[in-house]
Amino acid sequence: QKEVEQDPGPLSVPEGAIVSLNCTYSNSAFQYFMWYRQYSRKGPELLMYTYSSGNKEDGRFTAQVDKSSKYISLFIRDSQPSDSATYLCAAPNIYNTGNQFYFGTGTSLTVIP
Amino acid sequence: DGGITQSPKYLFRKEGQNVTLSCEQNLNHDAMYWYRQDPGQGLRLIYYSQIVNDFQKGDIAEGYSVSREKKESFPLTVTSAQKNPTAFYLCASSMWENTEAFFGQGTRLTVV
Repeated sequence: QKEVEQDPGPLSVPEGAIVSLNCTYSNSAFQYFMWYRQYSRKGPELLMYTYSSGNKEDGRFTAQVDKSSKYISLFIRDSQPSDSATYLCAAPNIYNTGNQFYFGTGTSLTVIP
Repeated sequence: DGGITQSPKYLFRKEGQNVTLSCEQNLNHDAMYWYRQDPGQGLRLIYYSQIVNDFQKGDIAEGYSVSREKKESFPLTVTSAQKNPTAFYLCASSMWENTEAFFGQGTRLTVV
């Protein structure tokens, strides 16, 4: 089982829809989570960084962590065509000496005008 | 502007050649990373470095080499031993161990 798993999609929604992107993780010791947005042929851009359970809101984006079910979500309200990208979830590996991050494989999102 | 600069954006390599990808950061970050991204496979760690003059192999280090002579620079060499080098390469950095990572814009390497 991978440390972080993500439904690859693709996901296609009409403009203005609420988008829900989801990941699951296997290690209950994970405490930090990140969401990245990656446009085609570009590097990932950090969108949200969350710690522990609960919600974090930034404009149209809300990150949610449910530690009891090991589930992390990113909600996009009033989705725009410019939101069309691949979204990656990630968790830092803070308990091994590997000093690395566990990334999901990404969910491809298309917002149709 | 602070950030991570990767160059070149596109790189073409002939079979049997070594090529070096550049990564420079002015964020004063201690840790730097190299990832390879292939369609459908997500990000795979090639090498990482926590401090100057020290680096560690990641999951797919074979056929690659790195150096960390300066805090701000972490070049990656793709050697002729790398059997399938065509991919999108991403460099990242973080302030200290396992805080959020920031990425460069990537280098697309194609073997011709």
